[in-house]
Amino acid sequence: DIQMTQSPSSLAASIGDTVTITCRASQGIAKSLAWYQQKPGQAPNLLVYTASILKSGVPSRFSGSGSGTEYTLTISNLQPEDFATYYCQQYFSSPPITFGPGTRVDVK
Amino acid sequence: QVQLVQSGAEVKKPGASVKVSCKASGYTFTNYEIVWVRQAAGQGLEWMGWMNANGGDADYAQKFRGRVTMTRSTSTNTAYMQLSSLTYEDTAVYFCARGSLDLRVKSPGTIDGWFDPWGQGTLVIVSS
Repeated sequence: DIQMTQSPSSLAASIGDTVTITCRASQGIAKSLAWYQQKPGQAPNLLVYTASILKSGVPSRFSGSGSGTEYTLTISNLQPEDFATYYCQQYFSSPPITFGPGTRVDVK
Repeated sequence: QVQLVQSGAEVKKPGASVKVSCKASGYTFTNYEIVWVRQAAGQGLEWMGWMNANGGDADYAQKFRGRVTMTRSTSTNTAYMQLSSLTYEDTAVYFCARGSLDLRVKSPGTIDGWFDPWGQGTLVIVSS
């Protein structure tokens, strides 16, 4: 199974900040990576797929990058609605599909 | 718009089974896979398996094999996930989501990718 880790596990930021979340896979996943945002009491919402392709309708302040085993999600000019938990997910190898443990973005 | 609507919350006793439904609308149901993911309170996301909504064949995470069954009704565009022999550790929110690959062009062995959209989630509580 491919193990996914995320760092940091949580962070505190202010409106307007730039935030970077890192996701690492236990082996190369050839950009087969998605990012999701989840707010309390809601289902996850897809943000990015294939490591860097923004889902239609997602604000351009979100961006994804990376290759091999290391990937990042960057949120520029953080907005109030961006405070949430973010998960990465690999789909290079299955079963199983695996998710990272999540990164919680809180208000500083 | 593409939408998945799940059934309501359930309370079950240990050892019982639960069946959660996921009704799809806004797209051709049989053109995509349906995946099931669960999330215990305060925890991360756990993939349970997926089902080809056209042929009905399914693949399950090793952890759930023997206890989970994923089925569908093409007449009502509804997917189902049944989990048996429930324990307290099965208390969680269960989500369905649509796979990303159109089954009409998906090559055999290709792994479905990202999941979008997701259902609203169904809380399953296992309590005596």
